[in-house]
Amino acid sequence: GAGVSQSPSNKVTEKGKDVELRCDPISGHTALYWYRQRLGQGLEFLIYFQGNSAPDKSGLPSDRFSAERTGESVSTLTIQRTQQEDSAVYLCASSFGNGRTDTQYFGPGTRLTVL
Amino acid sequence: AQSVTQLGSHVSVSEGALVLLRCNYSSSVPPYLFWYVQYPNQGLQLLLKYTSAATLVKGINGFEAEFKKSETSFHLTKPSAHMSDAAEYFCAVSMNTGNQFYFGTGTSLTVIP
Repeated sequence: GAGVSQSPSNKVTEKGKDVELRCDPISGHTALYWYRQRLGQGLEFLIYFQGNSAPDKSGLPSDRFSAERTGESVSTLTIQRTQQEDSAVYLCASSFGNGRTDTQYFGPGTRLTVL
Repeated sequence: AQSVTQLGSHVSVSEGALVLLRCNYSSSVPPYLFWYVQYPNQGLQLLLKYTSAATLVKGINGFEAEFKKSETSFHLTKPSAHMSDAAEYFCAVSMNTGNQFYFGTGTSLTVIP
């Protein structure tokens, strides 16, 4: 596709369940980012991929959060044993280069609600 | 850790008036600076960026921003607001080491007809 896509667009889950969020970056983009945006707050960096490797996982808030990327394409963000404070919009972005000065192209986000 | 401060979570201007959205960063080393815009029901998109070239940066839709090292600021301006400018605006920084981006909390711009 022409842009970054994310699925699902909305996810409602019960506390304690695991969820998996998917990101399809723009074809050819080697850098991929995940962010979290809580209501009324800015974007919070979670993890960065360069190709299939994740040199920077420092933003993951706990060991319940993990992410992987395969084939320098699709990435999945998994949240285990979800908590109510995980409720947020999760945004994915991709860029062509190493990211520091490159334009990031954002997906529409996945709105996660944990009941 | 780096931080980005956007003064004013909500800004209202009249159509045709000057738009000024403020962004300050905390860093002893000049970072790379970005403004992103999120129109209603759309994803974030880049407005403009400063990457250590000219300090006055021009972006899309008539917006521009000036990097002022002495003030650690990167305020966004537009001489004349249009109704279509109503959106959420985010300031962001990245450093020349590491790969983290730091975003501000956003400023919601309302344009009054």
